[in-house]
Amino acid sequence: EVQLVESGGGLVQPGRSLRLSCAASGFTFDDYAMHWVRQAPGKGLEWVSGISWDSSTRVYADSVKGRFTISRDNGMNSLYLQMNRLTAEDTALYFCARVTIFGTIFEKWGQGTLVTVSS
Amino acid sequence: DIQMTQSPSSLSASVGDRVTITCQASQDISNYLNWYQQKPGLAPKLLIYDGSRLETGVPSRFSGSGSGTDFTLTISSLQPEDIATYFCQQYDHLLATFGPGTKVDIK
Repeated sequence: EVQLVESGGGLVQPGRSLRLSCAASGFTFDDYAMHWVRQAPGKGLEWVSGISWDSSTRVYADSVKGRFTISRDNGMNSLYLQMNRLTAEDTALYFCARVTIFGTIFEKWGQGTLVTVSS
Repeated sequence: DIQMTQSPSSLSASVGDRVTITCQASQDISNYLNWYQQKPGLAPKLLIYDGSRLETGVPSRFSGSGSGTDFTLTISSLQPEDIATYFCQQYDHLLATFGPGTKVDIK
């Protein structure tokens, strides 16, 4: 069974950093690109970042470009999101998501980890 | 950047009604359009991918159509368990954009 388990969320002050992790199991991790998608409280879904299976391609939403860094460790079956210079607008539930091998179709999702940016 | 719009933003319908949600892209996206259902407190669930392909295990009352810039999600006969918010999503290689969502409830 495919499982994606996010961790690392919490309360952080504006301007500080946080690193999210996603532990993957139940599939061959390095066969798939992986992504982060977030959802602010009571709001819609916002795609944040994606990384190819071999880390050769990393893409970001304009809202996080230059502040967030996506990475992965295929040996550890893990996905990461380093978030720097956090603002209140980054407050959201962050989902780790696996896409299909055919395209950026989010077929598997974790349960999310909540990041709250507040002083 | 490709922008996505959805309409309506919310709707109320009766059990058994046919429900239609539309999604429009700001430029031609071919058929690179997916639909998701999200219930409160849960992660989104993939319903339709590449415009019209039904994800395995999704009831056949859900269908998708369209290409280019205009897309439609149809629920042929609304069921109580379909109460949720529905999002469209386009993709271009690894880049993605979601629509703002359509909240569906029972009248």
